[in-house]
Amino acid sequence: DAGVIQSPRHEVTEMGQEVTLRCKPISGHDYLFWYRQTMMRGLELLIYFNNNVPIDDSGMPEDRFSAKMPNASFSTLKIQPSEPRDSAVYFCASSLLEGGPPHFGNGTRLTVT
Amino acid sequence: GESVGLHLPTLSVQEGDNSIINCAYSNSASDYFIWYKQESGKGPQFIIDIRSNMDKRQGQRVTVLLNKTVKHLSLQIAATQPGDSAVYFCAEKEETSGSRLTFGEGTQLTVNP
Repeated sequence: DAGVIQSPRHEVTEMGQEVTLRCKPISGHDYLFWYRQTMMRGLELLIYFNNNVPIDDSGMPEDRFSAKMPNASFSTLKIQPSEPRDSAVYFCASSLLEGGPPHFGNGTRLTVT
Repeated sequence: GESVGLHLPTLSVQEGDNSIINCAYSNSASDYFIWYKQESGKGPQFIIDIRSNMDKRQGQRVTVLLNKTVKHLSLQIAATQPGDSAVYFCAEKEETSGSRLTFGEGTQLTVNP
């Protein structure tokens, strides 16, 4: 079975540029999550969706961050404009049931210079 | 950029020994707990979970113990192998938080051959 697929694996961009991260969840999973991992803060939940609808976006850092899920098989996390402090590994995860264990992709390592 | 990072707790064991990784949680309303394994360059991988109505659950070579009285969770790995070397995270979910998970800081397990 294909797991959660994220692209790109690595992204290097300059401060001020727009960044778009992409995710394809596991087929049939109704919940999709975006996490960010840094050495300073560990793994943090940014936002999660249920049936393509955002349920909890309280972890989204600020208005520069936005996430969409136009259909059950695709989601994007956009940062505009990007800043050096956004440098992190961004993970997408999906789960079958509410409260069930999320299954993670291998992440996108973002570097903003 | 970040100048100071988290210093992960570390555990170093000999191949073949049993490993015990501990996790303390603070939220007495947490009712679901998960252990994840994260290898370098990969996303967290689900290992085992336990609900608060249980105090022990076993998987293949792994056992999770939950002590709600002292809010403590542990992961026991039997006959530890070099392939078990990774960072291990516990995660907890509060009963009323939907699908929001809170992750611990992680423990670096190193298995010496």
